[in-house]
Amino acid sequence: DVQLVESGGDLVRPGGSLRLSCEASGFVFSSYAMNWVRQAPGKGLEWVAVINDSADRTYYADSVKGRFTISRDNSKKTLYLQMNNLRAEDTAVYYCTKARAFAWLPIFDLWGQGALVTVSS
Amino acid sequence: DIQMTQSPSFVSASVGDRVIITCRASQDISSWLAWYQQRPGKAPKLLISGASTLQVGVPSRFSGSGFGTEFTLTISSLQPEDSSTYYCQPTNGFPPYTFGPGTKLLIK
Repeated sequence: DVQLVESGGDLVRPGGSLRLSCEASGFVFSSYAMNWVRQAPGKGLEWVAVINDSADRTYYADSVKGRFTISRDNSKKTLYLQMNNLRAEDTAVYYCTKARAFAWLPIFDLWGQGALVTVSS
Repeated sequence: DIQMTQSPSFVSASVGDRVIITCRASQDISSWLAWYQQRPGKAPKLLISGASTLQVGVPSRFSGSGFGTEFTLTISSLQPEDSSTYYCQPTNGFPPYTFGPGTKLLIK
């Protein structure tokens, strides 16, 4: 099956860290850019970060720049999001998404089921 | 960054009705627009890319149109399973990427 499966969501204290993973299957993972998109409770979609196919270029939303790091391991077909210095406003469902091309074309044609991150004391 | 607006923000309609959702971009994006459907509690799903190209498996009652700064998503003959929030998204240019604020569709 063509799918993305996220893991790693949890309850974390403000200032804490968490790493999300997203395992891909059913397509050539190394050929596509990958993104993280989040959705705070009851809110709309917010793009978080993108990494190109070869993992040598990344971009971030201003809201997470300097705190979050997107990475990938093409040999493991896995995307990661390292989240540090977490804030209450980072509470959201985090979706892993596949872009339609190898780099900067944000047509997200495959989404994972989402991982819930709750930042609270 | 490209800013998107959607109208209405909420719409309620009956089975069999036709609904039109409008999306406006803050600058010319040609046909670089996608529409997503998000059912309650589920991940978003790509419906349309290139402003009007229906994705494989999407029912033909969905259609998209527009060019430049104004776009529409039309759902003809609403079905109960169409109850969702719909988002538009500009798909040109480099990051950061944005989404429209969403339109919630409720089937009466």
